[in-house]
Amino acid sequence: GAGVSQSPSNKVTEKGKDVELRCDPISGHTALYWYRQSLGQGLEFLIYFQGNSAPDKSGLPSDRFSAERTGGSVSTLTIQRTQQEDSAVYLCATLLGYDLYGYTFGSGTRLTVV
Amino acid sequence: AQSVTQLGSHVSVSEGALVLLRCNYSSSVPPYLFWYVQYPNQGLQLLLKYTSAATLVKGINGFEAEFKKSETSFHLTKPSAHMSDAAEYFCAVSVSGANSKLTFGKGITLSVRP
Repeated sequence: GAGVSQSPSNKVTEKGKDVELRCDPISGHTALYWYRQSLGQGLEFLIYFQGNSAPDKSGLPSDRFSAERTGGSVSTLTIQRTQQEDSAVYLCATLLGYDLYGYTFGSGTRLTVV
Repeated sequence: AQSVTQLGSHVSVSEGALVLLRCNYSSSVPPYLFWYVQYPNQGLQLLLKYTSAATLVKGINGFEAEFKKSETSFHLTKPSAHMSDAAEYFCAVSVSGANSKLTFGKGITLSVRP
């Protein structure tokens, strides 16, 4: 597609439930990043996929968070047993190869845990 | 590891006034530096980037930033603010190489008064 598409745009879930957030990258973009944006905290790196390499999971805050990228394209971020502190905007960004200059961000998924 | 400091969380200027948003970075190797803008309910959009070429970088919407190695700064400026500039602005740093990622500051909200 022309841009990075994220779904859903908004998600309200009850504490303790699992949620899945989806990112559809720009066609051909081999690198995909997930960031979390919390109020007043800026953007926090979560996980990075590059081609067929093992993902960099160093930013995942706990083992309740996981992500996968199927076929080098669509990525899903899963949060198990959600907590109120998980409430944030989750942003996906993709770029072509190692071109650090060309990040394209999606509009994000706003997650609210009640 | 690299880091970014954006002092203050909110800046307010009058329409037509100078905009100055400060960013200081820390990096053990030559950095790449970026400014992103986020309008309400939208994803991040790249304003400009420094990639070791010219130290004065011009971006979109009349913004520019100057890389000053001696001051480890990359402040964003615009000579004359417009109402449409009201948004949140993020400074980010990265370094070259595979598996690198953007590290963001906490962001600054710019308000423009009529």
